[in-house]
Formats: sequence, structure tokens, C-alpha cells
Amino acid sequence: EVQMAESGGGLVQPGGSLRLSCVASGFTFSTYAMSWVRQAPGKGLEWVSAISGSIDNTYYADSVKGRFTISRDNSKNTLYLQMNSLRAEDTAIYYCAKGRTGERWGQGTLVTVSS
Amino acid sequence: DVVMTQSPLSLPVTLGQSASISCRSSQSLVYSDGNTYLNWFQQRPGQSPRRLIYKVSNRDSGVPDRFSGSGSGTDFTLKISRVEAEDVGVYYCMQGTHWPSWTFGQGTKVEIK
Repeated sequence: EVQMAESGGGLVQPGGSLRLSCVASGFTFSTYAMSWVRQAPGKGLEWVSAISGSIDNTYYADSVKGRFTISRDNSKNTLYLQMNSLRAEDTAIYYCAKGRTGERWGQGTLVTVSS
Repeated sequence: DVVMTQSPLSLPVTLGQSASISCRSSQSLVYSDGNTYLNWFQQRPGQSPRRLIYKVSNRDSGVPDRFSGSGSGTDFTLKISRVEAEDVGVYYCMQGTHWPSWTFGQGTKVEIK
């Protein structure tokens, strides 16, 4: 069974950093592109970042470019999102999603940026 | 950037009746391989999104056949036949044609009258 589990969220002050993780199982992780999508409280879905399966090409939304870094460790079946210089508007649930069309999502991890 | 526009944004439905959600894209979603990567997601209250439909009209495994997708080019529709209580939630269309930059519609909240 395909499963993804995010972790690493929490409360952080503006300007701070967090590292999110997404551990995957039930599929050949290294062969799939992976993405991060966020959802601010009471709002819709916003694509944040993506990484290809094996070549490690990375992509970012303009809103996070230069502040967030996506990476993966295929030996650990784990996707990461390093978030620096966090702002209040980054407050959201962060989901990892499998594949080029989001065929499966994790349960999400909440990031709150507040002083 | 591709803009996805859904309507309506709120959809009260009577149990057992049908519901339709429209999604329009600002650009054609036909990819160079001939496929159209338009997907539909369901987000039940308190849950993460779940893909229901991929490439316009293909149901994901375990999705009831009450859900159907149609459309082409820039105009797409999700239809729910015989709405059940478990269908309550927010539905999003999403274009994957211009991967990696996914864009989502605003979401349509389906509720029971």
C-alpha cells in the first residue's frame, strides 16, 4: 500500500527555519517525481515545489524561490523541504504528493509562522 | 501562468440528486504527447486531498462510478450522480499539463441541503 507521512512542522518565528520530511513506502520512490503543496488555513491548494525522480531537477513557485529548497534521499525513501526566512504568509498545512499528477498525498504537517 | 477557474464555488445538493462542477483553464491543457492532464481532487473535511479523476475522465482505483469527468481543451466538468452524504467536501480541479507548476481551481464546496 502506498503511504506518505510528513513531519517536521511546528511553530516558528518570522525569519526562522524548518525542515519538513516526507517518508514514502509502498512504491519505488526513486522513479517518481515528488511535490510539495500547501494549504493556508481555510484556503485552497497552492503548489510550492517539485523534484524529478532521478535527475534531481528542482522547481519552485515564485513565492518561495530563494527561500525554500527541495531535496530527496532515494536510499531513505524520503523527500525534504528546507524552509528558510519564513514569513507569516507561509503558515499552512504542507502536503507531499506523489507523481506528476498527484496520485497520492500524505496527511500533511502544519507550519505556523508567528511571533 | 495557467489560471484554473471553477464554478460554482458553493454547491448545495439534495441527497440522491446530481451535481456538476465546471473548470475552465486559461490555456489549452493538451500536452505534446496528446494527453490532457486535467485532474479532479476531493478533500473531505479534516482530510488531505484525494485524487478522483486523472486525464479528464479516468477514475482512480476505489472511486465510485457515481463520479465522472468530461471535457476537452480548456473546458472540463466533474459530475457526481446520486450524491451521498460522504461526498460532502471541497472539490478541486488541477492541471498537470504544465508540470511541474501545478495550478488548482479555487475549489467548490459541496454540501447537503
